[in-house]
Amino acid sequence: DAGITQSPRHKVTETGTPVTLRCHQTENHRYMYWYRQDPGHGLRLIHYSYGVKDTDKGEVSDGYSVSRSKTEDFLLTLESATSSQTSVYFCAISDLDRGSYEQYFGPGTRLTVT
Amino acid sequence: GQSLEQPSEVTAVEGAIVQINCTYQTSGFYGLSWYQQHDGGAPTFLSYNALDGLEETGRFSSFLSRSDSYGYLLLQELQMKDSASYFCAVRDRTGSSYKLIFGSGTRLLVRP
Repeated sequence: DAGITQSPRHKVTETGTPVTLRCHQTENHRYMYWYRQDPGHGLRLIHYSYGVKDTDKGEVSDGYSVSRSKTEDFLLTLESATSSQTSVYFCAISDLDRGSYEQYFGPGTRLTVT
Repeated sequence: GQSLEQPSEVTAVEGAIVQINCTYQTSGFYGLSWYQQHDGGAPTFLSYNALDGLEETGRFSSFLSRSDSYGYLLLQELQMKDSASYFCAVRDRTGSSYKLIFGSGTRLLVRP
């Protein structure tokens, strides 16, 4: 299994509070992604990174920011959490530089905003 | 814009064959992937098609027709453990970076 972890695995927070989710990889892959998964919507891309300090928006980026200061860590921040951000968040990595099209997913973080 | 269509649910009997279709509309296309996800788990990669035709991996096969913007996942000799959600995903390119756009998933229920 690809070495990818997410923390925390579960979090309950109140509306208006800031939240940061962490994705950590030990595979030295350049590409990292944050998705959210909600019933009926599949996986939707929030932000992704194609290198240290190189990030771009996905299809549902409003209300989220990301940072990548080193290869192994990709942080997702909800500056002021809202109930609509209650979801399961998955981080993924891929090794496109070596021609691999596969994305490896972390175990997910279940976030509840009350 | 980009969109993918796949059936929301499919039911089949253990030992049978099932086909899950995916049609897509995207501005840039570099390939079609399939992922499996069991309840409570993370998605896992099944297959990738960049060119037209059939790719076979054990009991699973995936097909792509770029001219029809269509692909399918074929599962043979169904087993109970194949009950899961299956997602097609289009590989898209923006500038020099790549990303995946996922369909909303097909929930497969395998009955004994």
